[in-house]
Amino acid sequence: QSVLTQPPSVSEAPRQRVTISCSGSSSNIGNNAVNWYQQLPGKAPKLLVYYDDLLPSGVSDRFSGSKSGTSASLAISGLQSEDEADYYCAAWDDSLNAWVFGGGTKLTVL
Amino acid sequence: VQLVESGGGLVKPGGSLRLSCAASGVPFSKYTMNWVRQAPGKGLEWVSSITTGSAFIYYADSVKGRFTISRDNAKNSLYLQMNSLRAEDTAVYYCAREDGTNSGNRYFDYWGQGTLVTVSS
Repeated sequence: QSVLTQPPSVSEAPRQRVTISCSGSSSNIGNNAVNWYQQLPGKAPKLLVYYDDLLPSGVSDRFSGSKSGTSASLAISGLQSEDEADYYCAAWDDSLNAWVFGGGTKLTVL
Repeated sequence: VQLVESGGGLVKPGGSLRLSCAASGVPFSKYTMNWVRQAPGKGLEWVSSITTGSAFIYYADSVKGRFTISRDNAKNSLYLQMNSLRAEDTAVYYCAREDGTNSGNRYFDYWGQGTLVTVSS
């Protein structure tokens, strides 16, 4: 059972938009920045969004992040086949003194 | 920036293993470093964190008392000593660099390719 809750899977057609939710609590998302990681099949995770809604250099602006209270979301617009991957949210937890991850969401582009 | 893990392999339950992570292309000593693992077919699980001068060290409850994180800034290297290994420790272990502005606003910006640890008799 992960501290942060994500849907196990989402799917959408190419060129459409999809959102992935991440639910936490006041000790993690509610008080600290949320980061999102993309993990392509067989690869190491890659930073996708940091500080809730900032994109690292080189990340497509088709990706966007947002946060409200103790929940965060990752949106991907103009879906492409190469977006098929696992997506993880993460945040520092002040109560646990630990980094916590969501269980991951598998994105399928139909 | 390159992070390269090594030291993984097959070990029996109750055994020990020491992982290493060699950093290049970065001022290693200026960054907090982490270990994150991923069991086969499962999600990411944070394992441990060590600050720049090793003043602050944190562990996940699942490894506390069995794993020890350390670093050698002169050698640009991060380590994870794993003792009393269990089957559930089987995973790919990644080292990850942590960056950010303050305690609540941080992120893992660079990851290694991982090293596989298999605990089995």
